[in-house]
Amino acid sequence: KAGVTQTPRYLIKTRGQQVTLSCSPISGHRSVSWYQQTPGQGLQFLFEYFSETQRNKGNFPGRFSGRQFSNSRSEMNVSTLELGDSALYLCASSLTGGSNEQFFGPGTRLTVL
Amino acid sequence: DQQVKQNSPSLSVQEGRISILNCDYTNSMFDYFLWYKKYPAEGPTFLISISSIKDKNEDGRFTVFLNKSAKHLSLHIVPSQPGDSAVYFCAASARNQGGKLIFGQGTELSVKP
Repeated sequence: KAGVTQTPRYLIKTRGQQVTLSCSPISGHRSVSWYQQTPGQGLQFLFEYFSETQRNKGNFPGRFSGRQFSNSRSEMNVSTLELGDSALYLCASSLTGGSNEQFFGPGTRLTVL
Repeated sequence: DQQVKQNSPSLSVQEGRISILNCDYTNSMFDYFLWYKKYPAEGPTFLISISSIKDKNEDGRFTVFLNKSAKHLSLHIVPSQPGDSAVYFCAASARNQGGKLIFGQGTELSVKP
């Protein structure tokens, strides 16, 4: 079975721009969660999508948004980029979320200049 | 507030010996716990999990112990191998929180030959 894939792997943007990241979950997985990893804050939960609906949301500003398509693929969008948005963005998929193992993709490294 | 804590930023162990990584949590609603291994610039790799109805789970060289009264879990790696050198994260989820994982800050394990 193919693992979780994320595109692109690397991105460089400037402040004020917006960015869209993509995540394809493991086949059959319906839950996709997104996380941000920074040296100072560690791994922080952004949001989770299940059956095309946002089921959980972390403590991030509204500039961070996402969506999920009928094939369970998910995208996250960050608008009006700030320097502090530079991070490794990770998505993880699981069968249904909850008490299921989450399997992570390789991440997208976003650098905001 | 840090709901999941890994108080040891680093741990050094001799090859062949036991590695014990510790994790404490504060939220009594957590009912599922996971350990991940991570290399720089890669996504976390799932290692082992445990439900709150159990106090021990084994998978090969990895064993996770859960002490609910102390709100403490630990990961034992026996025997430790140089390839185990990585950052280890514990994570927790609550039944009503779907696919939202709360991560500790990580412990960097170094296994010396």
